[in-house]
Amino acid sequence: KQEVTQIPAALSVPEGENLVLNCSFTDSAIYNLQWFRQDPGKGLTSLLLIQSSQREQTSGRLNASLDKSSGRSTLYIAASQPGDSATYLCAVKNFVGGATNKLIFGTGTLLAVQP
Amino acid sequence: GAGVSQSPSNKVTEKGKDVELRCDPISGHTALYWYRQSLGQGLEFLIYFQGNSAPDKSGLPSDRFSAERTGGSVSTLTIQRTQQEDSAVYLCASSLAQGGSPLHFGNGTRLTVT
Repeated sequence: KQEVTQIPAALSVPEGENLVLNCSFTDSAIYNLQWFRQDPGKGLTSLLLIQSSQREQTSGRLNASLDKSSGRSTLYIAASQPGDSATYLCAVKNFVGGATNKLIFGTGTLLAVQP
Repeated sequence: GAGVSQSPSNKVTEKGKDVELRCDPISGHTALYWYRQSLGQGLEFLIYFQGNSAPDKSGLPSDRFSAERTGGSVSTLTIQRTQQEDSAVYLCASSLAQGGSPLHFGNGTRLTVT
C-alpha cells in the first residue's frame, strides 16, 4: 500500500530564504508525482507535475526533483516571499492493474514566510 | 467555466439528514475525483470516475456515501443519514483522460453536521 510522508510538518522562514520541502513514498512504481499548494479555505492549486521518467521540473522560483528509486521528491523554493505562505502537498499516482489510478496525498507542510 | 466549480461552498445540516454536493468539472475533462479533507487530516480519496468505465469506489467510507456522474460531466456526491464525523471539506478534481495530466481542484464544499 502506497504511503506518502512529508517532512517537516511545519516550517517558518524569513523572507528571502531558499528552502526545501521533502516528500517520500514507499512504493516506487509510480506514474507521476504532483506538488500542490493550498491556501486557507481554498482548494488545491497544481504547482508542478513530474512524470516517472523525469528527474525534475521547474516553474519560476519553484523546482521539483524526483528520485524514484529512493522514493523521494523535493520542492525547492528560491527567494521565498510572504505570498508563498501556504500548505504544500505532494501526491503520487500509482500504476494499478496496468492502469493509472487515484492520487495518494501526503499530509502536507505548512509554510510560513515572515516579512 | 474556466475551473472546477463546486456547490454549495458551505452546507450546514442536522444529523440524520441527507445532503447532495455538486461538482462541475472543467469542460473536456473525462476524469473526475472526489476527496475529503477533515480538520488536521490529509486528503482522503473517495471515488474516481474515468469516462464510461466503472467508477473506482474503493474510498467510500460507508454505504451511506454514493456518487453519480451524469453524461460524463457533472457529478453529485450524496451522503445519506449524515453523522457528525462526516463534517469535512469535500473536494472535487478533474483532469484530462491521459494518466499523466495534472489534477485541477475546485474550492470544495465545507460540510458541517450538527
